[in-house]
Amino acid sequence: RKEVEQDPGPFNVPEGATVAFNCTYSNSASQSFFWYRQDCRKEPKLLMSVYSSGNEDGRFTAQLNRASQYISLLIRDSKLSDSATYLCVVNQAGTALIFGKGTTLSVSS
Amino acid sequence: NAGVTQTPKFQVLKTGQSMTLQCAQDMNHEYMSWYRQDPGMGLRLIHYSVGAGITDQGEVPNGYNVSRSTTEDFPLRLLSAAPSQTSVYFCASKGGASSPQHFGDGTRLSIL
Repeated sequence: RKEVEQDPGPFNVPEGATVAFNCTYSNSASQSFFWYRQDCRKEPKLLMSVYSSGNEDGRFTAQLNRASQYISLLIRDSKLSDSATYLCVVNQAGTALIFGKGTTLSVSS
Repeated sequence: NAGVTQTPKFQVLKTGQSMTLQCAQDMNHEYMSWYRQDPGMGLRLIHYSVGAGITDQGEVPNGYNVSRSTTEDFPLRLLSAAPSQTSVYFCASKGGASSPQHFGDGTRLSIL
């Protein structure tokens, strides 16, 4: 089993749609969690951290379920500029971050 | 506001050549990492360091060496380049154990 698994996608949605991405992780000792965004041929950039109580940043909502080892990202009112690959990322104590393979989102007008 | 700087941005090598990819950060971060990204494989960890003088292997360390003589620099060495090492290489740093990482722009490496 891979350490971090994501919906492979691609997700093709119209502008204004709500879309949700899911992610599971295998190591119960994982300590911190993030969603990154990566545009084509660019470096990954931090979208948001994921907290146990859930957190929101504008149109983006992240949830963490430690018992199920599950992370989610909800994007409301999708924009064309949201088209990208979204990476689920898990941090284990004293190591580098472990990345999922990413989910590709394409928002069309 | 440089952040994480990688050089070179592009490189073409012949099989068997050696090369060092440079990575420097100016944020005084303790943690630094090297990843490679291949189509369909996502980002895979090659080596990482939790501080000057300390390095450890990641998921795909074979064929690569690293050293961390200073906090700022974390070079990645290809000892004898192979076509399988054709990839995009990203260096990253973070300030604390639970912090997110900041990435460099990447190095696109082709081995012929």
